Amino acid sequence: EVQLLESGGGLVQPGGSLRLSCAASGFTFNTYAMSWVRQAPGKGLEWVSTISGSGGDIYYADSVRGRLTISRDNSKNTLFVQMNSLRVEDTAVYYCAKLTRVFGDSWKFDSWGQGTRVTVSS
Amino acid sequence: SSELTQDPAVSVALGQTVKITCQGDSLRTYYASWYQQRPGQAPLLVIYGKNNRPSGIPDRFSGSNSGNTASLTITGAQANDEGDYYCNSRDTSANHWVFGGGTKLTVL
Repeated sequence: EVQLLESGGGLVQPGGSLRLSCAASGFTFNTYAMSWVRQAPGKGLEWVSTISGSGGDIYYADSVRGRLTISRDNSKNTLFVQMNSLRVEDTAVYYCAKLTRVFGDSWKFDSWGQGTRVTVSS
Repeated sequence: SSELTQDPAVSVALGQTVKITCQGDSLRTYYASWYQQRPGQAPLLVIYGKNNRPSGIPDRFSGSNSGNTASLTITGAQANDEGDYYCNSRDTSANHWVFGGGTKLTVL
């Protein structure tokens, strides 16, 4: 059974930093791309970032590029995101999700963690 | 980057059929995937690809595609189908993924 467990959320002041982690189990971690998806209070889902299984390909949403850094440690089956220069608008629940290629270049987020809450406020 | 457009809210009578749609240019190239999110819970994949259901998803959920529109159909809606439904696809213009704004489904 696939399990994804996020941690590291909390309250941080604007301009501050936070590092989120996602511990994965139940699948061969280094063969799957992983993503962070966030959801601001009362809002919809927003894709944030994706990293390939090897870590060699990385993609960011325009809203976070230059401030967030995604990474992974395949020896520890763990996904990370380092969040710097945080803004009030980064307040959200952050989910990690396993991303699987379907066919052609279509994809599915087929497993999700329960999320970790990040609040950016003074 | 591309956008995916969904109706904000849809309602259906218990046991009836409802279709939730998602429009966007990227859907001419990529299949959509669909996610159900109940209040306070993480999203759950319900449909992906041409019309595929993950293990454990009831067969009352189905998907279809035409041009720039993807649709999720629930045949014989149940009370526990209430929630928010999001479509997603890869963005054709960049290495991004994009979610629709979500559709809130109410079962009457």
